[in-house]
Amino acid sequence: EAQVTQNPRYLITVTGKKLTVTCSQNMNHEYMSWYRQDPGLGLRQIYYSMNVEVTDKGDVPEGYKVSRKEKRNFPLILESPSPNQTSLYFCASTRTGSYGEQFFGPGTRLTVL
Amino acid sequence: GDSVTQMEGPVTLSEEAFLTINCTYTATGYPSLFWYVQYPGEGLQLLLKATKADDKGSNKGFEATYRKETTSFHLEKGSVQVSDSAVYFCALSFYNQGGKLIFGQGTELSVKP
Repeated sequence: EAQVTQNPRYLITVTGKKLTVTCSQNMNHEYMSWYRQDPGLGLRQIYYSMNVEVTDKGDVPEGYKVSRKEKRNFPLILESPSPNQTSLYFCASTRTGSYGEQFFGPGTRLTVL
Repeated sequence: GDSVTQMEGPVTLSEEAFLTINCTYTATGYPSLFWYVQYPGEGLQLLLKATKADDKGSNKGFEATYRKETTSFHLEKGSVQVSDSAVYFCALSFYNQGGKLIFGQGTELSVKP
């Protein structure tokens, strides 16, 4: 089954404690992205990757890091989380040559105390 | 910059009512337009898309037409069901640009029996 998986689905942590949210896709897609969803703001892109070892900032990259060492994986790293990073996070992937239709993971709800 | 604006929710309808969710966009160039749906507790799923002016996207009884002259992509359904209760996002993207989607803020739809 074609899918994007994320782990964990729920996470409560404290300010400053480094964390990683994993994302994996099994569709051999080149493009992968991270978005955060906040009430009244829709989804905003944090970072994206066009292929292995190629990443770039989206609209709200501050406080986040990513890496793309393998085509299928695109982890999101918060090195020093703060309460304003409390949000619902989605990973998504799509293929080269697409018009923008993306496959989304189920989401990770992060709370930073 | 490029942006998408949706009508504010929540929208509450009775079963079998007619649905319209307004969406307008601002973009340089010629974007593709999308409607995504998010059911409770799930990630986003592509509902329909249109890649050029006057295209009509349709799926599951939902329709939207790409109107370049009014920069709009309104979502319609003739007869909603309780199972259509979800959050609907209008979005735009540009061909082969890393799959980046620019989202509206989302419109929550609640359908009562």
